[in-house]
Amino acid sequence: DAGVIQSPRHEVTEMGQEVTLRCKPISGHDYLFWYRQTMMRGLELLIYFNNNVPIDDSGMPEDRFSAKMPNASFSTLKIQPSEPRDSAVYFCASSLAGHGYTFGSGTRLTVV
Amino acid sequence: AQKVTQAQTEISVVEKEDVTLDCVYETRDTTYYLFWYKQPPSGELVFLIRRNSFDEQNEISGRYSWNFRKSTSSFNFTITASQVVDSAVYFCALSGLAGGTSYGKLTFGQGTILTVHP
Repeated sequence: DAGVIQSPRHEVTEMGQEVTLRCKPISGHDYLFWYRQTMMRGLELLIYFNNNVPIDDSGMPEDRFSAKMPNASFSTLKIQPSEPRDSAVYFCASSLAGHGYTFGSGTRLTVV
Repeated sequence: AQKVTQAQTEISVVEKEDVTLDCVYETRDTTYYLFWYKQPPSGELVFLIRRNSFDEQNEISGRYSWNFRKSTSSFNFTITASQVVDSAVYFCALSGLAGGTSYGKLTFGQGTILTVHP
């Protein structure tokens, strides 16, 4: 099993540009989570899906952030337009029925 | 709502010392999971342990041990004879089980930075 795969590993973009982060969960897992990690706020849950349906997006900072899960094997987190304060490490995780959580390697986003 | 508190922001020890990382949690769920994750300098989140709220038995895995006390809502983590490679950020986390209000949602503490000096 390849684990949770995130791409890209690193992203540097200019303020105002659109950024798309990608995640492939572990096959068969029914939950998918997006977390953001910053020094100031730690690990924050942004949104999570169950069977491709968004369950809780209360952690999404503002309308500039959106997440989709068009099928069981793919999810995206989009920031448009990006701002310097969005700079963080974004983790995707997947889980089978909430019994354990496997995290991807993360995407380090830098907005300049 | 769920909350996990790791009161120790940073701990510094010398190699071979024992060290305990504290974790206190709050939840309205009667059944839940507790976790510990390790984040080494490379940045990935490494799963260490999952404990079901039904099971208060302590667990030992090599130099690692965990003490779960439901009465005090604590899930502490002890490293015996620490090594330099144990230097990392350690996170305690909580999620609800099926039927609970926080089912599937993993909430993290703020993390404890552990530095083990040679």
